[in-house]
Amino acid sequence: GDSVTQMEGPVTLSEEAFLTINCTYTATGYPSLFWYVQYPGEGLQLLLKATKADDKGSNKGFEATYRKETTSFHLEKGSVQVSDSAVYFCALRYNQGGKLIFGQGTELSVKP
Amino acid sequence: DAGVIQSPRHEVTEMGQEVTLRCKPISGHDYLFWYRQTMMRGLELLIYFNNNVPIDDSGMPEDRFSAKMPNASFSTLKIQPSEPRDSAVYFCASSPNGTPETQYFGPGTRLLVL
Repeated sequence: GDSVTQMEGPVTLSEEAFLTINCTYTATGYPSLFWYVQYPGEGLQLLLKATKADDKGSNKGFEATYRKETTSFHLEKGSVQVSDSAVYFCALRYNQGGKLIFGQGTELSVKP
Repeated sequence: DAGVIQSPRHEVTEMGQEVTLRCKPISGHDYLFWYRQTMMRGLELLIYFNNNVPIDDSGMPEDRFSAKMPNASFSTLKIQPSEPRDSAVYFCASSPNGTPETQYFGPGTRLLVL
């Protein structure tokens, strides 16, 4: 069945470092792809999305490109801040309904 | 808008007791989702509704779990009887009809079953 795999965390970076969190997926057809973020003690919130191959989603300095050939949707940011410390979830949309399939989450810790 | 509202925020109960979690979605949203989050299993979708009708309950772990949505502004998730392995954070989320994948999560209910 459809699934999402993320790199294991925790990822620990210094402030202003470059961030990459890997995400690959397995799906029939061409699903929409998402990154959600969960700050400590809160629910998840949508960070960015891409609905078709080669689309780039971006928000708050984060970017991810939908790569059909490698079935990937890696999250990147050029310069992380302490406030970016959170758990990041990659997800795909299952058919046309509202159901999302989430990866296991990757914890990011940014040190000053 | 106040966002998705969940109650209680924290619940501690003893094994065998009934637990009821409550959710008020964002007004105008047609989808409502119940998730469970644990360290071992990550984030799991339990059930979701569209226009108050359950669409997919394949994630409900067993008959001890039940969910209802009697109207567009209220949903409950009930566990009866509760067991220690049900300890988790339970999230409710809602989304609009046009973009059901854009889900707005509540703050969660942290459940501990002793």
